[in-house]
Amino acid sequence: SQQGEEDPQALSIQEGENATMNCSYKTSINNLQWYRQNSGRGLVHLILIRSNEREKHSGRLRVTLDTSKKSSSLLITASRAADTASYFCAYYQAGTALIFGKGTTLSVSS
Amino acid sequence: SQTIHQWPATLVQPVGSPLSLECTVEGTSNPNLYWYRQAAGRGLQLLFYSVGIGQISSEVPQNLSASRPQDRQFILSSKKLLLSDSGFYLCAWSEYNSYEQYFGPGTRLTVT
Repeated sequence: SQQGEEDPQALSIQEGENATMNCSYKTSINNLQWYRQNSGRGLVHLILIRSNEREKHSGRLRVTLDTSKKSSSLLITASRAADTASYFCAYYQAGTALIFGKGTTLSVSS
Repeated sequence: SQTIHQWPATLVQPVGSPLSLECTVEGTSNPNLYWYRQAAGRGLQLLFYSVGIGQISSEVPQNLSASRPQDRQFILSSKKLLLSDSGFYLCAWSEYNSYEQYFGPGTRLTVT
């Protein structure tokens, strides 16, 4: 399957710093989503960006999408310890199957 | 508001034993339902999805099966577990015409 790829695999920062994680994909998409997963829990939907959008904001989250490069980035500004989690990009393939990347594990220390 | 339940939260089963994991959704009708498996340190693998009662699509040939006996109930089963079935199983739902998926808390399955 055309699995997305997040980069970096792991990221450690201090509280207050910004965290940027990237996602690359291999197929044409209508939209791309980002999810967060706290350790041992289910995933939580964060934000969806459509293929005709280049940038989208939600609170401290900023997502960009470059369809020509088949890439997206998630920026978390002013990180907090509570932002410690794994972050996944996801997109639809063949209509119904949501394809997830392997995720970026973010650790925010106080 | 909508909620999704999964049980059990954790399960330890011997090789060769049967499996039944249940997922129910409240507060919505005719949702799309999904079963995913997540191996340690990896992304999610879609196992099954359903767009209606009795309608199941399998993404990966394996030792597992799924059923949807009621509109908001999704069951993952196996007749005989393998060691490779260990993992974190997640159920999710979406509105039939929406892209966002909403996940349950997951079941940690260890096959010994």
